[in-house]
Amino acid sequence: EPEVTQTPSHQVTQMGQEVILRCVPISNHLYFYWYRQILGQKVEFLVSFYNNEISEKSEIFDDQFSVERPDGSNFTLKIRSTKLEDSAMYFCASRKDREFSGYTFGSGTRLTVV
Amino acid sequence: AQSVTQLGSHVSVSEGALVLLRCNYSSSVPPYLFWYVQYPNQGLQLLLKYTSAATLVKGINGFEAEFKKSETSFHLTKPSAHMSDAAEYFCAVRLETGTASKLTFGTGTRLQVTL
Repeated sequence: EPEVTQTPSHQVTQMGQEVILRCVPISNHLYFYWYRQILGQKVEFLVSFYNNEISEKSEIFDDQFSVERPDGSNFTLKIRSTKLEDSAMYFCASRKDREFSGYTFGSGTRLTVV
Repeated sequence: AQSVTQLGSHVSVSEGALVLLRCNYSSSVPPYLFWYVQYPNQGLQLLLKYTSAATLVKGINGFEAEFKKSETSFHLTKPSAHMSDAAEYFCAVRLETGTASKLTFGTGTRLQVTL
């Protein structure tokens, strides 16, 4: 079964550093998402991406965050200057098309900011 | 705005007992509803989804959920719990509005299965 692949599985970074979280969505999917889960809390929507642009973003997704689909296969989330509170599990998800279809999630990247 | 409420952050059942995890939704339009399971240190796996077809939805691993519009509920059940069912379960809602159609998750219910 097709999978959404996320790398790395765990990343530790120093506060103030830039990080890039990588995702390879399922190849024929058109909608891409990033979600975040702070330890012990619920999964929160960050941003959705379609047709090479952001469709919607949450209040969490401020100017420190950006997304990109640089080469038609990868989907990246960049955090420019990490803060301690950015420590969380970040999930990438993709969906096939506009008609109803399920979301497939990756296994996540655990980001630890020290 | 769409939302889901999961009653009970922790549920403990004995192996072989009925599992009931509660989810209520708030939506001004007919929703699409999902249950996801998260095993320790893993990602989110889709258990089942409601898409306005049959109100009783069967999913993987013997789980099922019933959509009850009058109660705005979508509770997850399994007749007989197994030790391997111990995990975190998330209810999520999606409205068919806009191209984003993001999921909104509940706070999760941790299921413990005891011998």
